[in-house]
Amino acid sequence: NAGVTQTPKFQVLKTGQSMTLQCAQDMNHEYMSWYRQDPGMGLRLIHYSVGAGITDQGEVPNGYNVSRSTTEDFPLRLLSAAPSQTSVYFCASTKTSGSSYEQYFGPGTRLTVT
Amino acid sequence: DQQVKQNSPSLSVQEGRISILNCDYTNSMFDYFLWYKKYPAEGPTFLISISSIKDKNEDGRFTVFLNKSAKHLSLHIVPSQPGDSAVYFCAASAISNDMRFGAGTRLTVKP
Repeated sequence: NAGVTQTPKFQVLKTGQSMTLQCAQDMNHEYMSWYRQDPGMGLRLIHYSVGAGITDQGEVPNGYNVSRSTTEDFPLRLLSAAPSQTSVYFCASTKTSGSSYEQYFGPGTRLTVT
Repeated sequence: DQQVKQNSPSLSVQEGRISILNCDYTNSMFDYFLWYKKYPAEGPTFLISISSIKDKNEDGRFTVFLNKSAKHLSLHIVPSQPGDSAVYFCAASAISNDMRFGAGTRLTVKP
């Protein structure tokens, strides 16, 4: 049981390049989400998914796309990278139990856009 | 618009004493609150949560208190241990999976 895995751990992009951050979970959770963390700020929700084929925008969705074709995978795409997207990105998978839930986070991807 | 605020960026306590981390929120629709602990170069780790129908939840050395009228929650760690040194985030949710986080408080527990 690997939990939530993210690849790559580090990435440097040039402005205008595109890339996909990978996220996978093996806990069969329906809910998955992507956050970014910037210095002096908490995690901000980019996009989330409540199940395969269903995605929705979070607090800061601009410049990012997501899809959810399987329960296990939730990739985050940057279509045209900008320096403002330099950040640490965390993927999370959520376990729900009645009215309570717990989020499990991946180790993060540190992205630098030059 | 920061809906969840942790006004103390850092806190230092002596080993064995109580650590109290505070969090305020503005959105009265939030109905679920969580605390996370984060070490450098790792993802946040879930610690403890509380539903808005409760005012207290305990798990071992960790207790979360919720004061809905004041829109305030706090995390108490007793006794504090050096291994508790980390950044602590509070988070709140109005609907499942749409979570808003505070900026974090760096806790240092001195031996």
